This record gives sequence, structure tokens and C-alpha cells, in this order.
Amino acid sequence: SSELTQDPAVSVALGQTVRITCQGDSLRKYDANWYQQKPGQAPVLVIFGKNNRPSGIPGRFSGSSSGNTASLSITGARAEDEADYYCNSRDSSGKSLVFGGGTTLTVL
Amino acid sequence: EVQLVESGGGVVQPGRSLRLSCAASGFIFDDYAMHWVRQVPGKGLEWVAGVSWNSATIAYGDSVKGRFTISRDNAKNSLFLQMNSLRIDDTALYYCVKDRMLAVAGPFEHWGQGTLVAVSS
Repeated sequence: SSELTQDPAVSVALGQTVRITCQGDSLRKYDANWYQQKPGQAPVLVIFGKNNRPSGIPGRFSGSSSGNTASLSITGARAEDEADYYCNSRDSSGKSLVFGGGTTLTVL
Repeated sequence: EVQLVESGGGVVQPGRSLRLSCAASGFIFDDYAMHWVRQVPGKGLEWVAGVSWNSATIAYGDSVKGRFTISRDNAKNSLFLQMNSLRIDDTALYYCVKDRMLAVAGPFEHWGQGTLVAVSS
């Protein structure tokens, strides 16, 4: 089992705001990064560090963190945001990298 | 444009070996750490191994330690994964991934399209 825990599935109404969470003890010390993966495609980095967006990622994606929980928020969800989302960070030892189990986002 | 092209995947019997390669272009290869990440079709992502820009730091996921070896050739802009003692649960799509940093730290900034490894008798 992963040291980072994500809800398996989350849904959001079109145009609404959704928060996807990632929990783990290592997140008290290390930042989380977030990836979006659509069917048949490689993952894409959407948020890294405290709250940084790579070039080309829309501003409706944002990140935050509190205690042992990191969150990815999508403000004004669009149909094209329907995808699997994965968090990643270091493990508790700090020597290895880990992913959360992933969250499938459905846009209703 | 960053391009990462994996090769070397295929069908292999349990206990045998396979070597994956990744040809990188579109960026200064020796300015970044590199990784292998795998994904069983329909399942989640698993970090396999990472190597720093100068190969001074190498790290592995617990499930492959002692069996897999990551290496890089900066002169040839190439990343490798030597996989020995393959097991059925090593079956996955293997992605070559460029870090955003020099060190093995993440985030994973660019991904290849993957090469499929199937371990089967």
C-alpha cells in the first residue's frame, strides 16, 4: 500500500469547484506534486511545490497543503478535466519517491 | 520540445532479463535527474528508480531493489533500466521521466509514451 492516500473517486458538477486530497505523514515535511492522466495518455504535471503551475496549465488548477494533507483544487471544472489525478512526494524516510493511489475525477 | 522515447520492451519469461532504453532530446540532458515510472494497465503509478544528473545519487523503489539497475549516458543523452530476475508482477508500461531538478527529487516534469514489458511463461 502507498504511503500517500487518495480517495479512489470524486465527482463534480460542471462549472463547480472540486478538491482532491492526498494524505501522508511525509507531507508534513515535503511538498506534493500533482499529475493528470487521461485514458491512453502519459501523465501530465499540473501542480508542483507549494502551488506552482507548469507552463500551459490553466489557472483553474491550484494546490494547497495543511498538516499531513495536500490538496489539488479545480475551480470551475470543465468536461476536459475528467481524468485520473495522482499526487507524489517523498516517503517518510525521505530517500524514496512515492505516488498516491490516484483519484478518478468525474465531471457531471 | 522535450522528447523522451522509450524502447526495449517486450515479452519475457519469468527470471529472465530485459534492458530498457530512453532517448532524450530537446533539453540539456545532463542538467536534470531522470527516472523510470511504471504503470500496470488500469492501475496506478509506481516510481521505479531515479538517477541524479551526474549519476552520484541513485535510488530505487522497494519492489525492484537488488534486481533493477538504472544508469545514464550523458554523452549519448540516454537513460537505461537493466531489469534482472523479472517477475510476473513486473508486467507494466514503463515510462521514462525527466525531473525538474538536478537531484532525484521530483517533480516529474516530462514523460515519454512508455514501453510495455510483459513477463509471462
